[in-house]
Amino acid sequence: AQSVTQPDIHITVSEGASLELRCNYSYGATPYLFWYVQSPGQGLQLLLKYFSGDTLVQGIKGFEAEFKRSQSSFNLRKPSVHWSDAAEYFCAVGPYNAGNNRKLIWGLGTSLGVNP
Amino acid sequence: DAGITQSPRHKVTETGTPVTLRCHQTENHRYMYWYRQDPGHGLRLIHYSYGVKDTDKGEVSDGYSVSRSKTEDFLLTLESATSSQTSVYFCAISESKGTNQPQHFGDGTRLSIL
Repeated sequence: AQSVTQPDIHITVSEGASLELRCNYSYGATPYLFWYVQSPGQGLQLLLKYFSGDTLVQGIKGFEAEFKRSQSSFNLRKPSVHWSDAAEYFCAVGPYNAGNNRKLIWGLGTSLGVNP
Repeated sequence: DAGITQSPRHKVTETGTPVTLRCHQTENHRYMYWYRQDPGHGLRLIHYSYGVKDTDKGEVSDGYSVSRSKTEDFLLTLESATSSQTSVYFCAISESKGTNQPQHFGDGTRLSIL
């Protein structure tokens, strides 16, 4: 069955440190992959997406992610974390089937804390 | 940012009352979605729409109904609210071109049912 796993429920890093958030997926076809960020009290904002081509994709706010087919992973990275990056991060895979069904499969999220 | 407006932003109501949440978009996107977000469960799809009057169920549709009479509006109705429906509700939209379009989210409605 298709699924998305974010193994880390909560991560805390120090400001200025590097960050890697993990995302593993199980999907029967070539996936479309997304990372979203949710600040407290806000909706989800798209950080970046992978459809095809270069497996290292750049996103907004200085984030990047690397698609590794052999590991079924799409990990999110940032070289230097800022206090404003404290938020919830969600990985998603899709679409689940085609046609009119454009549903995404969502991970449960990773909460990021940033120490000053 | 995508033009998505959810209303109301906050609502407190009593068990057994009907509740309607509205999602309004100005992007003319074909696809619209209703999710609920609960601690430990992430985002769960309630219903989605792939066009005017075209809707389908998601994974947690029991107790919810939807309607889409215009491209820009997608309504979520709780016919008789229960405490288990206390949650944060998000609307999302996506374009129709290609199957790889991301979803864009509104700011959510926090619903409390007492």
